[in-house]
Amino acid sequence: AQSVTQLGSHVSVSEGALVLLRCNYSSSVPPYLFWYVQYPNQGLQLLLKYTTGATLVKGINGFEAEFKKSETSFHLTKPSAHMSDAAEYFCAVSGGNNAGNMLTFGGGTRLMVKP
Amino acid sequence: ETGVTQTPRHLVMGMTNKKSLKCEQHLGHNAMYWYKQSAKKPLELMFVYNFKEQTENNSVPSRFSPECPNSSHLFLHLHTLQPEDSALYLCASSPDLKGYEQYFGPGTRLTVT
Repeated sequence: AQSVTQLGSHVSVSEGALVLLRCNYSSSVPPYLFWYVQYPNQGLQLLLKYTTGATLVKGINGFEAEFKKSETSFHLTKPSAHMSDAAEYFCAVSGGNNAGNMLTFGGGTRLMVKP
Repeated sequence: ETGVTQTPRHLVMGMTNKKSLKCEQHLGHNAMYWYKQSAKKPLELMFVYNFKEQTENNSVPSRFSPECPNSSHLFLHLHTLQPEDSALYLCASSPDLKGYEQYFGPGTRLTVT
């Protein structure tokens, strides 16, 4: 079984500032981890994923996330926020490459970017 | 068409109506999902199909009836819905159920009046 906690349902940053969205997970097996972005009235779009290998993962739109096993975290960062980054972000975990392991999603974090 | 498509994008229906939502994936995947996304609630997994067979039904009321005629198509048949069923209904697909990422459609915004 696995679960995801996203700390902060709303995060507000100024344009050009660092974006940090927090995600902590629990999993009884080595996890696969994902970040998705959702713009208003649209579906979820995959930003990046970690499965195995390098723990720092780069995704689309300048985002990256680092898998830290000791902290059971997979925080999402971007050095400089753009207005277009305003959206809802979801962290998700699965139990790796095992049959029957579907994604478990966090509650989401709404990112607001101030001009 | 590429990816996952959903029709209609918007639907308004009365509580006595019967309607269907359609999802189609062009990715060659074998697993398909229905999710419900309500305001201020976490994403709720409703149904899962793998190789056309239903593998998961998360205690969804019988007024929601899924159908998966083949690995590329998924339907959600709706009848006698309640206002609280108003939500964004998202379809997703994945290669199989082995924990890979899911690819989402744009959703159907459903309003029950």
